[in-house]
Amino acid sequence: EIVLTQSPDTLSLSPGERATLSCRASQSASLYLAWYQQKPGQAPRLLIYDTSYRATGIPARFSGSGSGTDFTLTISSLEPEDFAVYYCQQRGNWPLTFGGGTRVEI
Amino acid sequence: QVQLQESGPGLVKPSETLSLTCSVSGGSISTSYWSWIRQSPAKGLEWIGYIYHTGITDYNPSLKSRLTISLDTSEKQFSLRLSSVTAADTAVYYCARTPIFGVAIYTFDLWGQGTMVTVAS
Repeated sequence: EIVLTQSPDTLSLSPGERATLSCRASQSASLYLAWYQQKPGQAPRLLIYDTSYRATGIPARFSGSGSGTDFTLTISSLEPEDFAVYYCQQRGNWPLTFGGGTRVEI
Repeated sequence: QVQLQESGPGLVKPSETLSLTCSVSGGSISTSYWSWIRQSPAKGLEWIGYIYHTGITDYNPSLKSRLTISLDTSEKQFSLRLSSVTAADTAVYYCARTPIFGVAIYTFDLWGQGTMVTVAS
């Protein structure tokens, strides 16, 4: 099983700032990593799949990069609605697994 | 557009079986895998398993011995049964669509709203 470790646990930023979130895999996930956003009381929402492809309707300020064991989600300029918890998920190996999440807060 | 809705008891007694159903509306049930995922403070997000319209299933090994996922294509519903539950199974349970063709395969691109299940006597 691939264990995904996200860092930092919490990122305290202001609107307009750049957010950089990390996801590290215990073994190679190739390029098969996705990112989700979750707001309080809501289900997660798919943002990025296969490391760098934005899902339908996701704004261009969200971007992903990386490969193998190190991946990054970047939000270029935080909007008020971007303050949420972000999770990574891998499909490089079974079972499918998620990271523990990074909270982006004001 | 496709929507998912979970239903089932919010309280289950220890050692009993947790049963949930997900209803799929607004689209075909035959073109994706259909997953169950749960979320708890202790374990975070955990993929439980999925089913295809042909009946093919794949389960998380950590739950496989207690788990059954089934599908009713005529009703456009799929169901989860988890036996011998303990307090560790207390979580929000989500159903989700897992694409297997085209883009975003083996992700979860559409989710239900989730349903809280508490295991307690």
